[in-house]
Amino acid sequence: EAGVAQSPRYKIIEKRQSVAFWCNPISGHATLYWYQQILGQGPKLLIQFQNNGVVDDSQLPKDRFSAERLKGVDSTLKIQPAKLEDSAVYLCASRLSAPTDTQYFGPGTRLTVL
Amino acid sequence: GNSVTQMEGPVTLSEEAFLTINCTYTATGYPSLFWYVQYPGEGLQLLLKATKADDKGSNKGFEATYRKETTSFHLEKGSVQVSDSAVYFCALSIAGNQFYFGTGTSLTVIP
Repeated sequence: EAGVAQSPRYKIIEKRQSVAFWCNPISGHATLYWYQQILGQGPKLLIQFQNNGVVDDSQLPKDRFSAERLKGVDSTLKIQPAKLEDSAVYLCASRLSAPTDTQYFGPGTRLTVL
Repeated sequence: GNSVTQMEGPVTLSEEAFLTINCTYTATGYPSLFWYVQYPGEGLQLLLKATKADDKGSNKGFEATYRKETTSFHLEKGSVQVSDSAVYFCALSIAGNQFYFGTGTSLTVIP
């Protein structure tokens, strides 16, 4: 079974530029999560989708971050414009459906904002 | 609110030593509790989980017991190996949503 795919793996941009990350969850997984992991900290949930609907985006900085999950499969996370403090690893995870199902994480995208 | 506090690292142990990484939580509901592991250069992987009080999760020689009375979920292993060197994250979720992670504890096991 293929795992959660993310691209790109690394991205370096200047502040005020825009960037987008892509995630392809495990086939059949209804729930998809985006996390931000700043160096030395644990992952922080940004947004959770159930199929193509948003379940929780309470910690998403909506003035600059946006996310969508078209057709309930792939998802993109966008930052526009980026700030220095957005430098982090952005993790995507997916889960089959039930609350006790395991979350599977992708390898992450490491963003550096200069 | 909901939060997880785990033992600060880094932790360095000799091979075959006993490991404990402390984790305590605060939750508004009835959380499920998890330990995730991140090996060098790899993504986060679920190590073990427990979904209700007094449950014990176990995997690869690691164990953790869900203690509601002390709001704790400490990770233990009787004899660590070099291959256990990684960063360990304690986490909770409420009804499968609202995941909260601790800051991670780095473990290095030396031969």
